[in-house]
Amino acid sequence: GNSVTQMEGPVTLSEEAFLTINCTYTATGYPSLFWYVQYPGEGLQLLLKATKADDKGSNKGFEATYRKETTSFHLEKGSVQVSDSAVYFCALISSGGSYIPTFGRGTSLIVHP
Amino acid sequence: GAGVSQSPSNKVTEKGKDVELRCDPISGHTALYWYRQSLGQGLEFLIYFQGNSAPDKSGLPSDRFSAERTGGSVSTLTIQRTQQEDSAVYLCASSLVSGTDTGELFFGEGSRLTVL
Repeated sequence: GNSVTQMEGPVTLSEEAFLTINCTYTATGYPSLFWYVQYPGEGLQLLLKATKADDKGSNKGFEATYRKETTSFHLEKGSVQVSDSAVYFCALISSGGSYIPTFGRGTSLIVHP
Repeated sequence: GAGVSQSPSNKVTEKGKDVELRCDPISGHTALYWYRQSLGQGLEFLIYFQGNSAPDKSGLPSDRFSAERTGGSVSTLTIQRTQQEDSAVYLCASSLVSGTDTGELFFGEGSRLTVL
């Protein structure tokens, strides 16, 4: 079956630090990959996505590259802000399957001023 | 509003009682999903509705859980004879484009259920 593994949090950083949140996956076929973000008190919202190998998704300074050879989709940002404090979820939808997203456990990011 | 709306936002109930959670998806979205978010456990898929097709109930944890979607819009998740392990945040999401592997889900803020 499909699965998504994320690094455990919380990740605690100072403002302007470099961020990496690791995500690896197991899936049949060629899945589409997503990062969702949940800010405090809000629902999850799509941050970025990539639909095929070597694609790079980007939004709000965040980037993630679809690496088929390592089955990874790590989230990166060069300089985090306090407002980036949130929970980040990696997810996949398997091609040719039921189109039901599989989510990771989420990684909490705390950014201090 | 334009987003996915869930009610109640918080529900405290006693063990053994039944509860109903409501989801109002974005108008025109044909796909509707229910997930459960427990502390440290990520999002657990419960049930998926797509248009007029039979729902995918493969994620429901027991026969105490059921859901319906009336008129292709509002959905209700019902938990009968609640247990303490049912305590969690129940998330609803809807999607415009389904039957593809690229659809974005739009989530509500969730209903937090506490079973005493």
